[in-house]
Amino acid sequence: DSGVTQTPKHLITATGQRVTLRCSPRSGDLSVYWYQQSLDQGLQFLIQYYNGEERAKGNILERFSAQQFPDLHSELNLSSLELGDSALYFCASSAGAGVTYNEQFFGPGTRLTVL
Amino acid sequence: AQKITQTQPGMFVQEKEAVTLDCTYDTSDQSYGLFWYKQPSSGEMIFLIYQGSYDEQNATEGRYSLNFQKARKSANLVISASQLGDSAMYFCAMRENFGNEKLTFGTGTRLTIIP
Repeated sequence: DSGVTQTPKHLITATGQRVTLRCSPRSGDLSVYWYQQSLDQGLQFLIQYYNGEERAKGNILERFSAQQFPDLHSELNLSSLELGDSALYFCASSAGAGVTYNEQFFGPGTRLTVL
Repeated sequence: AQKITQTQPGMFVQEKEAVTLDCTYDTSDQSYGLFWYKQPSSGEMIFLIYQGSYDEQNATEGRYSLNFQKARKSANLVISASQLGDSAMYFCAMRENFGNEKLTFGTGTRLTIIP
């Protein structure tokens, strides 16, 4: 158990809908990362938050957005869902930012299926 | 250009034998970190081992060791005395420079341990 929790574990929805994925980082970790794992794109970094502020952005679509709340949990919002958004979405957390060794601990993932 | 290359899509290894999973990387940064993660069929991402670019010694964690050859830009994972529970996908990942914590992953190697 990495200490990172994600809810829900599974999500099935229809095209055009909007969903929210939730992540609670390990106790004390200030950085939260979101990754998408799909069959065709592999594992891709989406976005990072550090202590409530957006720190880095990767291949995140404009239909997707994220935020980190004062209690450090994070939510990833996916809207106008398409079939291609079906994937395993991981949240990871780490203690800090801008340091040499910054191990990321991954949550169990949320498997999103868009029908 | 691919930054992390894992050339072995799948490997079959006899139980109790050692196995080497290949990983080459591409970066122009002097400071970077290399990670290996294991993903069992259950889907979670499990951190295995880390190597910093300035670390002079190869990293080891129990049965895992990282064969780091900086000049060749390779960071192969060696698993000694393989066990049935080692059957999983293995991902090599890189974090470049201090200011960017995102992990760039390779395509993975599916390791199957044969009893």
